[in-house]
Amino acid sequence: AQSVTQPDARVTVSEGASLQLRCKYSYSATPYLFWYVQYPRQGLQLLLKYYSGDPVVQGVNGFEAEFSKSNSSFHLRKASVHWSDSAVYFCAVSIGTGNYKYVFGAGTRLKVIA
Amino acid sequence: DPKIIQKPKYLVAVTGSEKILICEQYLGHNAMYWYRQSAKKPLEFMFSYSYQKLMDNQTASSRFQPQSSKKNHLDLQITALKPDDSATYFCASSQGLGANTLYFGAGTRLSVL
Repeated sequence: AQSVTQPDARVTVSEGASLQLRCKYSYSATPYLFWYVQYPRQGLQLLLKYYSGDPVVQGVNGFEAEFSKSNSSFHLRKASVHWSDSAVYFCAVSIGTGNYKYVFGAGTRLKVIA
Repeated sequence: DPKIIQKPKYLVAVTGSEKILICEQYLGHNAMYWYRQSAKKPLEFMFSYSYQKLMDNQTASSRFQPQSSKKNHLDLQITALKPDDSATYFCASSQGLGANTLYFGAGTRLSVL
């Protein structure tokens, strides 16, 4: 079955530390890949997206993600987190013909502590 | 200024009643969606519309009916409300139905008592 897995429901890191949030997908073809962030009481906002080409894509606020076809993964990284990065992060894929439906992972709640 | 307006922000309803959730987008997009987020299912696709035409419906219950009176409007009517319908409902839009960026509203938090 097609799926998106974010294995870590919650992640806590210290401010200034590096961050990696994991995402794995299960599709027969390479999908379009996205990371969205949801701040408290807000809708989701796009961080970055990958369609093709360089497997490392840059996003907003210093985030980047690396696509790995061999591992079917699209992990999100940031070199140095800030307290304002505390939010829920969603990995998503879009695949198929016609309607191109989005499928979201369960999300990872990031808490940045002082 | 928010480009996707959802009204109301909070909604309390009694079991069995009917409510309409409002969504207007001012991004000039031709595709609009409804998603639902609850503790049980983090983000669940419900409907997609393109040029005011229903393209996909993943909601099993007919109690959920989207309504598109204008190109930039996609309301959601929910009838015979149940406590399990309690969730935050997000409206989203994109330019086309392809693998394009989704833009989300702030959501309507519905509580059914």
